[in-house]
Amino acid sequence: RKEVEQDPGPFNVPEGATVAFNCTYSNSASQSFFWYRQDCRKEPKLLMSVYSSGNEDGRFTAQLNRASQYISLLIRDSKLSDSATYLCVVNALYYGNNRLAFGKGNQVVVIP
Amino acid sequence: EAGVTQFPSHSVIEKGQTVTLRCDPISGHDNLYWYRRVMGKEIKFLLHFVKESKQDESGMPNNRFLAERTGGTYSTLKVQPAELEDSGVYFCASSQRDTFYGYTFGSGTRLTVV
Repeated sequence: RKEVEQDPGPFNVPEGATVAFNCTYSNSASQSFFWYRQDCRKEPKLLMSVYSSGNEDGRFTAQLNRASQYISLLIRDSKLSDSATYLCVVNALYYGNNRLAFGKGNQVVVIP
Repeated sequence: EAGVTQFPSHSVIEKGQTVTLRCDPISGHDNLYWYRRVMGKEIKFLLHFVKESKQDESGMPNNRFLAERTGGTYSTLKVQPAELEDSGVYFCASSQRDTFYGYTFGSGTRLTVV
């Protein structure tokens, strides 16, 4: 079973619409959670951390459900510049060492 | 503040050759990480340095890969001899503290083995 599962999409979203996707993680001992954004042929960039209480950053809202082991991201009022791959990333301990586990990413294409 | 710098940005080599990738972390960051994305797969952990010591190298695929971080500054990742399946994008990242806070990635080295 993969450490982090994401439906790669693509998610074709009309400009101005709302899009939501989530990921599941397998390691119940995971400690911290992130959404990274990756543009084509670029490095992943931290979009936001995800907390149990949920958190919002402008048009982006992230939620964490520890009981069900899933993380969600919602983008409101989509802009063309939001087109990218959104990576679900989980930090977990493996034999006492921290490392990040990545999902394959959700590809979002915002259409004019 | 300069970010994480990786060199070269692209490398095309023939199977059996040697390639060395370099990563310069953000100044003062003790933690340095190497990750790799093979086409069609997710980004995967390779190894983690704390200063010059290998904290965790359990993600290294095999003994053709050798990572070093002399003096606790920049790091090199050597692949010798390269195989076709080593093609991918190699990312380096650094952080002051551990991964609990997330970290900054370099722009990556795109390695193609032909």
